[in-house]
Amino acid sequence: GDSVTQMEGPVTLSEEAFLTINCTYTATGYPSLFWYVQYPGEGLQLLLKATKADDKGSNKGFEATYRKETTSFHLEKGSVQVSDSAVYFCALSGPMNGKLTFGQGTILTVHP
Amino acid sequence: DAGVIQSPRHEVTEMGQEVTLRCKPISGHDYLFWYRQTMMRGLELLIYFNNNVPIDDSGMPEDRFSAKMPNASFSTLKIQPSEPRDSAVYFCASSLGQGIAQPQHFGDGTRLSIL
Repeated sequence: GDSVTQMEGPVTLSEEAFLTINCTYTATGYPSLFWYVQYPGEGLQLLLKATKADDKGSNKGFEATYRKETTSFHLEKGSVQVSDSAVYFCALSGPMNGKLTFGQGTILTVHP
Repeated sequence: DAGVIQSPRHEVTEMGQEVTLRCKPISGHDYLFWYRQTMMRGLELLIYFNNNVPIDDSGMPEDRFSAKMPNASFSTLKIQPSEPRDSAVYFCASSLGQGIAQPQHFGDGTRLSIL
């Protein structure tokens, strides 16, 4: 079945550091890929998405590129802020339905 | 626009009691999803509805769990009887359409503690 694997956390960075959170997936067909973010005490919010190979999703300075050859969708940001501290989830949506399969989540903490 | 609204935000009850969680999806959305989040198991899809009809309940852990959607603007997830291992954060989400690129919009969750 479909699965998503994220890099182990937690990740701790200083403000303005470069961020990479790795995400790889296993799926049949051509899924859509998503990054969701969860701030403390809140539900998940869509951060960005990509629907086909080589698409780049971007939002709020975050980017991720759909790499079919490596089955990856790594999240990057050039300069993180304290306000980016949250839990980040990689997810895929199978081609036959709208069900999301989530990775285990990566906790990001950014210090001033 | 109002997002997905869940109630209560927090629920603490004793083992054996019935628990009912409520969700109001975004108006016009035709898909509704119930998830459970725990440290050990992460995010799990329990059940989802399309146009008020349950489509896939394979994630419901056992017969103690049931979910209903009597109309397009309301859904409940019920646990009877509750057990300590049901303690988790339960999220409701809704989406417009089932297209593979349709994002799901999440509520803020219900934090359930079973003593």
